[in-house]
Amino acid sequence: AQSVSQHNHHVILSEAASLELGCNYSYGGTVNLFWYVQYPGQHLQLLLKYFSGDPLVKGIKGFEAEFIKSKFSFNLRKPSVQWSDTAEYFCAVTPRYSSASKIIFGSGTRLSIRP
Amino acid sequence: NAGVTQTPKFRVLKTGQSMTLLCAQDMNHEYMYWYRQDPGMGLRLIHYSVGEGTTAKGEVPDGYNVSRLKKQNFLLGLESAAPSQTSVYFCASSYSSVGMLGGPYGYTFGSGTRLTVV
Repeated sequence: AQSVSQHNHHVILSEAASLELGCNYSYGGTVNLFWYVQYPGQHLQLLLKYFSGDPLVKGIKGFEAEFIKSKFSFNLRKPSVQWSDTAEYFCAVTPRYSSASKIIFGSGTRLSIRP
Repeated sequence: NAGVTQTPKFRVLKTGQSMTLLCAQDMNHEYMYWYRQDPGMGLRLIHYSVGEGTTAKGEVPDGYNVSRLKKQNFLLGLESAAPSQTSVYFCASSYSSVGMLGGPYGYTFGSGTRLTVV
Protein backbone atom coordinates (compact mmCIF):
# COMPACT_ATOMS: atom_id res chain seq x y z
CA ALA A 1 0.00 0.00 0.00
CA GLN A 2 1.17 3.50 -0.70
CA SER A 3 2.24 5.85 2.07
CA VAL A 4 3.49 9.40 2.44
CA SER A 5 6.16 10.66 4.84
CA GLN A 6 6.56 14.24 5.93
CA HIS A 7 9.55 14.33 8.22
CA ASN A 8 9.21 17.91 9.42
CA HIS A 9 6.35 18.09 11.89
CA HIS A 10 6.77 21.75 12.80
CA VAL A 11 8.80 24.38 10.98
CA ILE A 12 9.32 27.88 12.32
CA LEU A 13 10.64 30.60 10.02
CA SER A 14 10.93 34.35 9.93
CA GLU A 15 9.24 36.38 7.23
CA ALA A 16 11.20 36.52 3.96
CA ALA A 17 13.02 33.26 4.74
CA SER A 18 13.03 30.51 2.13
CA LEU A 19 10.94 27.41 2.68
CA GLU A 20 11.38 23.79 1.74
CA LEU A 21 9.10 21.09 3.12
CA GLY A 22 10.07 17.50 2.51
CA CYS A 23 7.75 14.82 1.18
CA ASN A 24 8.58 11.24 0.29
CA TYR A 25 6.15 8.63 -0.89
CA SER A 26 6.21 4.89 -1.06
CA TYR A 27 4.62 3.26 -4.09
CA GLY A 28 6.03 1.13 -6.86
CA GLY A 29 3.93 2.46 -9.70
CA THR A 30 3.08 5.77 -11.31
CA VAL A 31 1.49 8.33 -9.05
CA ASN A 32 -0.29 11.65 -9.00
CA LEU A 33 0.96 14.01 -6.31
CA PHE A 34 -0.62 16.87 -4.42
CA TRP A 35 0.13 19.49 -1.83
CA TYR A 36 -2.78 20.79 0.23
CA VAL A 37 -2.81 23.69 2.67
CA GLN A 38 -5.03 24.12 5.71
CA TYR A 39 -5.16 27.61 7.18
CA PRO A 40 -6.12 27.84 10.86
CA GLY A 41 -9.74 26.85 11.36
CA GLN A 42 -10.35 26.14 7.70
CA HIS A 43 -10.66 23.12 5.46
CA LEU A 44 -7.98 21.82 3.13
CA GLN A 45 -7.37 23.61 -0.14
CA LEU A 46 -5.37 22.43 -3.12
CA LEU A 47 -2.03 24.23 -3.38
CA LEU A 48 -0.63 22.43 -6.41
CA LYS A 49 -0.66 19.09 -8.14
CA TYR A 50 1.51 16.96 -10.40
CA PHE A 51 -0.03 14.58 -12.89
CA SER A 52 2.53 14.45 -15.70
CA GLY A 53 4.92 16.59 -17.76
CA ASP A 54 7.32 19.17 -16.31
CA PRO A 55 8.38 17.86 -12.88
CA LEU A 56 8.61 21.43 -11.57
CA VAL A 57 5.10 22.44 -10.73
CA LYS A 58 3.97 25.93 -9.86
CA GLY A 59 0.98 26.48 -7.62
CA ILE A 60 -0.88 29.32 -6.04
CA LYS A 61 0.61 32.02 -3.79
CA GLY A 62 4.16 31.57 -5.10
CA PHE A 63 4.56 27.93 -4.08
CA GLU A 64 6.24 25.35 -6.26
CA ALA A 65 7.15 21.70 -5.94
CA GLU A 66 9.59 19.43 -7.71
CA PHE A 67 8.89 15.80 -8.47
CA ILE A 68 12.05 13.70 -8.39
CA LYS A 69 11.04 10.23 -9.45
CA SER A 70 14.35 8.58 -8.55
CA LYS A 71 14.04 9.84 -4.98
CA PHE A 72 10.29 9.30 -4.64
CA SER A 73 10.11 12.90 -3.48
CA PHE A 74 7.82 15.87 -4.04
CA ASN A 75 9.23 18.71 -1.95
CA LEU A 76 7.40 22.00 -1.56
CA ARG A 77 9.29 25.28 -1.87
CA LYS A 78 8.73 28.99 -1.61
CA PRO A 79 11.54 31.55 -2.00
CA SER A 80 10.22 34.06 0.51
CA VAL A 81 7.50 33.26 3.05
CA GLN A 82 4.97 35.66 4.48
CA TRP A 83 3.18 35.70 7.81
CA SER A 84 0.00 34.70 5.95
CA ASP A 85 1.64 31.39 4.99
CA THR A 86 1.18 30.18 8.56
CA ALA A 87 -0.77 26.97 8.06
CA GLU A 88 -0.51 23.21 8.00
CA TYR A 89 0.72 21.65 4.79
CA PHE A 90 -0.13 18.15 3.63
CA CYS A 91 1.58 16.16 0.94
CA ALA A 92 -0.59 13.50 -0.71
CA VAL A 93 -0.37 10.76 -3.31
CA THR A 94 -2.68 8.57 -5.34
CA PRO A 95 -1.90 5.77 -7.80
CA ARG A 96 -2.36 6.85 -11.38
CA TYR A 97 -4.62 4.99 -13.80
CA SER A 98 -6.71 3.56 -10.99
CA SER A 99 -10.43 3.80 -11.51
CA ALA A 100 -11.15 3.76 -7.81
CA SER A 101 -8.23 5.57 -6.29
CA LYS A 102 -8.28 7.81 -3.30
CA ILE A 103 -5.77 10.27 -1.97
CA ILE A 104 -3.44 9.17 0.81
CA PHE A 105 -2.21 12.04 2.96
CA GLY A 106 0.97 12.54 4.93
CA SER A 107 0.80 13.50 8.59
CA GLY A 108 1.29 17.18 7.80
CA THR A 109 3.84 19.88 8.55
CA ARG A 110 2.84 22.83 10.65
CA LEU A 111 4.45 26.05 9.43
CA SER A 112 4.71 28.99 11.78
CA ILE A 113 5.96 32.33 10.44
CA ARG A 114 7.33 34.93 12.83
CA PRO A 115 6.37 38.46 11.77
CA ASN B 1 -21.59 28.31 -4.96
CA ALA B 2 -22.06 25.85 -2.10
CA GLY B 3 -19.59 23.12 -3.11
CA VAL B 4 -19.42 20.58 -0.28
CA THR B 5 -21.55 21.23 2.79
CA GLN B 6 -21.20 19.33 6.05
CA THR B 7 -23.69 19.30 8.88
CA PRO B 8 -23.43 19.70 11.78
CA LYS B 9 -20.28 21.79 12.27
CA PHE B 10 -19.89 20.90 15.96
CA ARG B 11 -21.29 18.14 18.13
CA VAL B 12 -20.70 16.71 21.57
CA LEU B 13 -21.81 13.13 22.18
CA LYS B 14 -21.86 10.91 25.21
CA THR B 15 -20.19 7.52 24.96
CA GLY B 16 -22.59 5.04 23.44
CA GLN B 17 -24.78 7.58 21.67
CA SER B 18 -25.31 7.44 17.93
CA MET B 19 -25.30 10.14 15.32
CA THR B 20 -25.16 10.77 11.59
CA LEU B 21 -22.97 13.28 9.79
CA LEU B 22 -24.29 14.57 6.52
CA CYS B 23 -22.22 15.56 3.51
CA ALA B 24 -23.92 17.18 0.54
CA GLN B 25 -22.33 18.29 -2.72
CA ASP B 26 -23.91 20.20 -5.57
CA MET B 27 -21.20 19.65 -8.20
CA ASN B 28 -22.54 16.39 -9.62
CA HIS B 29 -19.41 14.59 -8.39
CA GLU B 30 -19.36 10.82 -8.63
CA TYR B 31 -16.82 10.15 -5.90
CA MET B 32 -17.21 11.04 -2.24
CA TYR B 33 -15.01 10.39 0.77
CA TRP B 34 -15.01 10.63 4.55
CA TYR B 35 -11.74 11.38 6.36
CA ARG B 36 -10.90 11.98 9.98
CA GLN B 37 -8.16 14.37 11.02
CA ASP B 38 -6.22 13.87 14.23
CA PRO B 39 -3.17 15.82 15.45
CA GLY B 40 0.07 14.40 14.09
CA MET B 41 -1.70 11.79 11.99
CA GLY B 42 -2.88 13.78 9.02
CA LEU B 43 -6.06 12.70 7.31
CA ARG B 44 -7.09 9.07 7.34
CA LEU B 45 -9.71 7.67 5.02
CA ILE B 46 -12.73 6.11 6.75
CA HIS B 47 -15.02 5.14 3.87
CA TYR B 48 -15.55 6.25 0.32
CA SER B 49 -18.00 5.88 -2.53
CA VAL B 50 -17.39 5.74 -6.27
CA GLY B 51 -21.03 6.27 -7.18
CA GLU B 52 -24.62 6.27 -6.00
CA GLY B 53 -25.45 3.08 -4.13
CA THR B 54 -21.81 2.03 -3.67
CA THR B 55 -19.53 2.26 -0.64
CA ALA B 56 -16.13 0.88 0.26
CA LYS B 57 -13.91 0.73 3.32
CA GLY B 58 -10.92 2.96 3.70
CA GLU B 59 -8.02 2.89 6.11
CA VAL B 60 -9.92 3.18 9.43
CA PRO B 61 -13.52 1.96 8.91
CA ASP B 62 -14.18 0.29 12.27
CA GLY B 63 -16.97 1.87 14.28
CA TYR B 64 -18.41 3.74 11.29
CA ASN B 65 -21.01 3.03 8.64
CA VAL B 66 -21.89 4.97 5.51
CA SER B 67 -24.62 5.22 2.93
CA ARG B 68 -24.89 6.83 -0.49
CA LEU B 69 -28.56 6.58 -1.39
CA LYS B 70 -28.45 9.75 -3.47
CA LYS B 71 -25.59 10.89 -5.64
CA GLN B 72 -25.30 14.23 -3.90
CA ASN B 73 -25.32 12.92 -0.31
CA PHE B 74 -22.88 10.79 1.64
CA LEU B 75 -23.81 9.97 5.23
CA LEU B 76 -21.40 8.86 7.95
CA GLY B 77 -22.90 7.08 10.93
CA LEU B 78 -21.56 6.31 14.37
CA GLU B 79 -23.69 3.60 15.95
CA SER B 80 -22.12 3.67 19.42
CA ALA B 81 -19.74 6.56 19.86
CA ALA B 82 -16.46 6.08 21.71
CA PRO B 83 -13.97 8.67 23.01
CA SER B 84 -11.47 7.41 20.40
CA GLN B 85 -13.79 8.83 17.76
CA THR B 86 -13.23 12.36 18.99
CA SER B 87 -11.86 14.02 15.88
CA VAL B 88 -12.48 16.47 13.08
CA TYR B 89 -14.30 14.83 10.20
CA PHE B 90 -13.92 16.04 6.64
CA CYS B 91 -15.98 15.09 3.67
CA ALA B 92 -14.57 15.45 0.16
CA SER B 93 -15.78 14.85 -3.35
CA SER B 94 -14.26 14.53 -6.79
CA TYR B 95 -15.66 14.37 -10.31
CA SER B 96 -13.91 11.14 -11.14
CA SER B 97 -11.05 9.04 -9.94
CA VAL B 98 -8.20 11.23 -8.78
CA GLY B 99 -5.86 8.64 -10.27
CA MET B 100 -6.81 9.31 -13.85
CA LEU B 101 -4.90 11.73 -16.05
CA GLY B 102 -8.09 13.39 -17.13
CA GLY B 103 -9.39 13.41 -13.61
CA PRO B 104 -10.25 16.17 -11.22
CA TYR B 105 -8.15 18.82 -9.55
CA GLY B 106 -7.82 16.74 -6.43
CA TYR B 107 -10.68 16.89 -4.00
CA THR B 108 -13.13 19.56 -2.98
CA PHE B 109 -13.37 19.51 0.79
CA GLY B 110 -16.15 20.45 3.15
CA SER B 111 -15.48 22.72 6.11
CA GLY B 112 -15.40 19.89 8.64
CA THR B 113 -17.33 18.61 11.66
CA ARG B 114 -15.69 18.80 15.05
CA LEU B 115 -16.95 15.86 17.12
CA THR B 116 -16.21 15.36 20.79
CA VAL B 117 -17.20 12.14 22.54
CA VAL B 118 -17.20 12.35 26.33
